[in-house]
Amino acid sequence: SQTIHQWPATLVQPVGSPLSLECTVEGTSNPNLYWYRQAAGRGLQLLFYSVGIGQISSEVPQNLSASRPQDRQFILSSKKLLLSDSGFYLCAWMFGQHEQYFGPGTRLTVT
Amino acid sequence: QKEVEQDPGPLSVPEGAIVSLNCTYSNSAFQYFMWYRQYSRKGPELLMYTYSSGNKEDGRFTAQVDKSSKYISLFIRDSQPSDSATYLCAMALRSNDYKLSFGAGTTVTVRA
Repeated sequence: SQTIHQWPATLVQPVGSPLSLECTVEGTSNPNLYWYRQAAGRGLQLLFYSVGIGQISSEVPQNLSASRPQDRQFILSSKKLLLSDSGFYLCAWMFGQHEQYFGPGTRLTVT
Repeated sequence: QKEVEQDPGPLSVPEGAIVSLNCTYSNSAFQYFMWYRQYSRKGPELLMYTYSSGNKEDGRFTAQVDKSSKYISLFIRDSQPSDSATYLCAMALRSNDYKLSFGAGTTVTVRA
């Protein structure tokens, strides 16, 4: 069966510090991968998606970036965090046509 | 206007009641419709997946799609306290569409 991992689960970082969130998927190959952000009480905002190694599509212009160094690894990064980057970050992979399966999420607080 | 509109609630019902959740959308080209359930501080999990118009039933859950009205619904029968969660609708345009459009989610509390 397929499993998606995210870490860390919780992170508190000061403004201006770098960020690296990692997501890995097990049990499937060449998945479509996604990064979402969910602000408190808000819906899901798609940040990046990838249909293959090295292929990244950005949905919103901001100080975040994504990379896919391996088939089942997706990384979300920032060089300098802003207060507005606080939120719940979710990684997802797509099964079949549209069924997306989400990881447990990382709760990021920027102070 | 948002592409997918969903009343954020909150919605509070007594145990055993029917929960009715809705989403409306503006793009008539949407063909694939999903409902996700998200417990507090967890990632969303896929609950129902439907294509085009009609009903789909899975246990206590029924998903309805009315493409002529651009309206989708999720009904939860015999609601339980364990159904307390945020429910998000999502939709896609084409079979090869990589992206989903999500509603903001409706928070539901089922009171014991």
